[in-house]
Amino acid sequence: DAGVIQSPRHEVTEMGQEVTLRCKPISGHDYLFWYRQTMMRGLELLIYFNNNVPIDDSGMPEDRFSAKMPNASFSTLKIQPSEPRDSAVYFCASSLVPQPQHFGDGTRLSIL
Amino acid sequence: QKEVEQNSGPLSVPEGAIASLNCTYSDRGSQSFFWYRQYSGKSPELIMFIYSNGDKEDGRFTAQLNKASQYVSLLIRDSQPSDSATYLCAVKGGDDKIIFGKGTRLHILP
Repeated sequence: DAGVIQSPRHEVTEMGQEVTLRCKPISGHDYLFWYRQTMMRGLELLIYFNNNVPIDDSGMPEDRFSAKMPNASFSTLKIQPSEPRDSAVYFCASSLVPQPQHFGDGTRLSIL
Repeated sequence: QKEVEQNSGPLSVPEGAIASLNCTYSDRGSQSFFWYRQYSGKSPELIMFIYSNGDKEDGRFTAQLNKASQYVSLLIRDSQPSDSATYLCAVKGGDDKIIFGKGTRLHILP
């Protein structure tokens, strides 16, 4: 059974560019979470979906961040325009319950 | 500001001994408590959860919860070098938001 699949694994881009992170949850999981992890702030919830509907986006830092879940098998997190302070590891997680159970391998994002 | 506090470590424990990891939280309305293990460069994995006061055992792992003291701990018996990782405590508050601590680095000495 495939786990949560994230792409890309690594992304290096210049400040001001648009960044799109992708996530395929485990089939049948109703909940999808986007987290960001940095040394300074630890693991922070950005947004989570239930049955493709955004439930809590209070962790999204600002309007530069947006997330969508057009269907049960795909979600994107977009940053436009990107800034150096967005550099972090971004994790997607899916679950059958409203807490993260299975994390993807993460996307290591570096904004130069 | 609701907080989850953990000692960052590193906590060094001899192989075969008991490792004790601690976590305190500020939200008295918290109902659910989770422990995740994260190896260096990898993603977190859920290893334990506890909802009720007392102890919950799963193999070599025991989670302990004391809601009156707002304290949750994870004990690892017969520690192995493969247990060396960062352990994240996560707390689901009364508002259903899950807040993670910054983690404790555990190093098992062979």
